[in-house]
Amino acid sequence: EIVLTQSPATLSLSPGERATLSCRASQSVSSYLAWYQQKPGQAPRLLIYDASNRATGIPARFSGSGSGTDFTLTISSLEPEDFAVYYCQQRSNWPRTWTFGQGTKVEIK
Amino acid sequence: QLQLQESGPGLVKPSETLSLTCTVSGGSISSSSYYWGWIRQPPGKGLEWIGSIYYSGSTYYNPSLKSRVTISVDTSKNQFSLKLSSVTAADTAVYYCASGPGDDTSTEYWFDPWGQGTLVTVSS
Repeated sequence: EIVLTQSPATLSLSPGERATLSCRASQSVSSYLAWYQQKPGQAPRLLIYDASNRATGIPARFSGSGSGTDFTLTISSLEPEDFAVYYCQQRSNWPRTWTFGQGTKVEIK
Repeated sequence: QLQLQESGPGLVKPSETLSLTCTVSGGSISSSSYYWGWIRQPPGKGLEWIGSIYYSGSTYYNPSLKSRVTISVDTSKNQFSLKLSSVTAADTAVYYCASGPGDDTSTEYWFDPWGQGTLVTVSS
């Protein structure tokens, strides 16, 4: 089973700053990694799939990179609405299971 | 545009079976273009995948829950459902249904869209 480890657990930043979130897989997932944003009381929203492809309607300030075991989600300049929890996610093929990271909270400094 | 909506009891007694339904609109649950899944989130904690089902009928479950979980599709109602047996307080969570693109031979794996979620509390 592939384990996803996100770091840091909490990121304290100010609006306008750059946020860099990490997700590390316990074994290679190629580029098959997605990122989600979740705000309090809301369902997660897909931001990025296949490591670097923005989902429909996602602003360009969100970007993803990486392959293999190390992935990064970057928010180039934090907007007030970006303070939320972010999760990475992948799917293993054998056995076929889906896994989420434990999340990174981006909070206002 | 697909939309999903969870429904079911908000309170379940310990040792009983939790049953939830996800109603799909804006698309057919019989389509080979989608897969369907359940994900849960205990209060204040992270996301846990419960299971997924494909158009072909293939189902996949979280190994930690496999012995207690059943996911099925009702094509006549354009719904899919979750049953989790022998629940305990540890099963208290917001339960989300979600969809993803593709069939069980494809490489797609993400969930989009999601339902709004429904809180299920296990308590006597």
